[in-house]
Amino acid sequence: KNEVEQSPQNLTAQEGEFITINCSYSVGISALHWLQQHPGGGIVSLFMLSSGKKKHGRLIATINIQEKHSSLHITASHPRDSAVYICAGGHYGGSQGNLIFGKGTKLSVKP
Amino acid sequence: NAGVMQNPRHLVRRRGQEARLRCSPMKGHSHVYWYRQLPEEGLKFMVYLQKENIIDESGMPKERFSAEFPKEGPSILRIQQVVRGDSAAYFCASSSDRRRLSFGPGTRLTVT
Repeated sequence: KNEVEQSPQNLTAQEGEFITINCSYSVGISALHWLQQHPGGGIVSLFMLSSGKKKHGRLIATINIQEKHSSLHITASHPRDSAVYICAGGHYGGSQGNLIFGKGTKLSVKP
Repeated sequence: NAGVMQNPRHLVRRRGQEARLRCSPMKGHSHVYWYRQLPEEGLKFMVYLQKENIIDESGMPKERFSAEFPKEGPSILRIQQVVRGDSAAYFCASSSDRRRLSFGPGTRLTVT
């Protein structure tokens, strides 16, 4: 069983819709990363968070430590947001980049 | 300020040959991480290095794989005697202390 579980696996939205991607993780994970992998394969780190909420442009990431759950929200979605979104957890005491990755959520935003 | 550089971007090797993948971290970043993404699978951590030191190699296969980050020059991930199962995308990332990771564009290795 993977220690980081994402849902949904696939998501199709119309341009302008509000999108939520969920990530649940197991005990011992101290920091959560959200990554975006473009259709061409390149990876961009969107957020790293261990508590609360972070916002960058139309993207918002939240984490609930008690429930071991994180969400990535995209407001006013656009076709250029189409990508695979990956959450990844780092363990307490582990090296920062030693991450357990979710399987990803493939988002397709239609014009 | 150039991002993380990886080369080559695509590498084709026959079974039994050696593959060398290079990663130059962002300027000012002293931490380098290597990850592997097998076809249709998720990313997996392989190894974490700082200059001249391997810090965490818990994700490295026990045989044929090695990594280094010398005092001068890029980090190198070396795969000896490649097999078809090594075909994957290999990403490196770098960071400064406790900051967000910056990923390279990846090297796509194909073993024929």
